[in-house]
Amino acid sequence: DSGVTQTPKHLITATGQRVTLRCSPRSGDLSVYWYQQSLDQGLQFLIQYYNGEERAKGNILERFSAQQFPDLHSELNLSSLELGDSALYFCASSVEDSNQPQHFGDGTRLSIL
Amino acid sequence: GESVGLHLPTLSVQEGDNSIINCAYSNSASDYFIWYKQESGKGPQFIIDIRSNMDKRQGQRVTVLLNKTVKHLSLQIAATQPGDSAVYFCAVLVHSGYSTLTFGKGTMLLVSP
Repeated sequence: DSGVTQTPKHLITATGQRVTLRCSPRSGDLSVYWYQQSLDQGLQFLIQYYNGEERAKGNILERFSAQQFPDLHSELNLSSLELGDSALYFCASSVEDSNQPQHFGDGTRLSIL
Repeated sequence: GESVGLHLPTLSVQEGDNSIINCAYSNSASDYFIWYKQESGKGPQFIIDIRSNMDKRQGQRVTVLLNKTVKHLSLQIAATQPGDSAVYFCAVLVHSGYSTLTFGKGTMLLVSP
């Protein structure tokens, strides 16, 4: 058990819809990272938050947004969903910044019908 | 940008053998490297990390070797067990404005009893 909790485990929705994925980091970790994992693209970094502030941005679409709250949990919002957004979405956390081990949750599997 | 490649997509070994999984990276400025293990239905699990000021680091049954000259990283697993069957990823810290982890595509390790 990594100590990172993601909900929900599975999400099935339709094209055009909006969903919110939730992540609780390990106790004491200040950074939260979001990744997308698909069969053809592998594990792709989306965005990092550190203590409530956006720290780094990767291959995140404009339809996607994230935030980190004062209690350090984070949410990833995906809107105007397309079939190609079907993937596993992982959250990871680290004590401070990305030059430290990131510990991953078990992901949310998003299926777009 | 950083490209991270794995030399073999699948590695099949017998229980008790030693396993070696390789990874190549392209950016000589990369200074932090991590190996992850991902089992089916789970998130990536941190195995071991190494910084560029080291050539070798050992954990429990695992050793990571870093050759900065040829930009190559390897994970050695001693006395491989069926429970080691999983996909293994190397991740490399890339500095480009901010620092983010770039993941390789992964090697599937299959351990036969």
